[in-house]
Amino acid sequence: GQSLEQPSEVTAVEGAIVQINCTYQTSGFYGLSWYQQHDGGAPTFLSYNGLDGLEETGRFSSFLSRSDSYGYLLLQELQMKDSASYFCAGDGGYQKVTFGIGTKLQVIP
Amino acid sequence: DAGVIQSPRHEVTEMGQEVTLRCKPISGHDYLFWYRQTMMRGLELLIYFNNNVPIDDSGMPEDRFSAKMPNASFSTLKIQPSEPRDSAVYFCASSTSGGTYEQYFGPGTRLTVT
Repeated sequence: GQSLEQPSEVTAVEGAIVQINCTYQTSGFYGLSWYQQHDGGAPTFLSYNGLDGLEETGRFSSFLSRSDSYGYLLLQELQMKDSASYFCAGDGGYQKVTFGIGTKLQVIP
Repeated sequence: DAGVIQSPRHEVTEMGQEVTLRCKPISGHDYLFWYRQTMMRGLELLIYFNNNVPIDDSGMPEDRFSAKMPNASFSTLKIQPSEPRDSAVYFCASSTSGGTYEQYFGPGTRLTVT
């Protein structure tokens, strides 16, 4: 099975950069996904890392290091609307993912 | 393009009653997932299907829970009998093996069992 750990809460200032870390332990691992969920909403996909390195999508970037069993989500130029929960999710193959507990990001003015 | 559709959006029922949650995946998607989300346990995978066939139901809490996918456009998650600890938001998601690794989530059903 898989288990993923991420901080429960992070606070950052509007316009700043924030990094949300995720470490994982898994017996089968193919990649790491990130999802965003606003209060009362559904999770929405942000990115997927199947290989080591950095993937960039606009203001969001995601990184994976298999040797360290570690990944992170980087959010730049933070906006108030980025206040949400962010989940890392381990890909166990055959489309099955295991979600971390989520990091609640609060962006303050 | 319609996303994943779930019904009902909210369900309040009494302990012991049967609850049926419904999901219509995105057309053309061959994977369908049922998740449960609570504050304490986060987002848990209950069961998932590939081409209408259950692949992994190891996350189903107990025999009170059952799920079916009679065709490619419809799935149900049934709880019988329901208990207060089943109160949660239940999400259905779908994905395609031929595309990205993205799972598309429905809006969820908020279930309250009193």
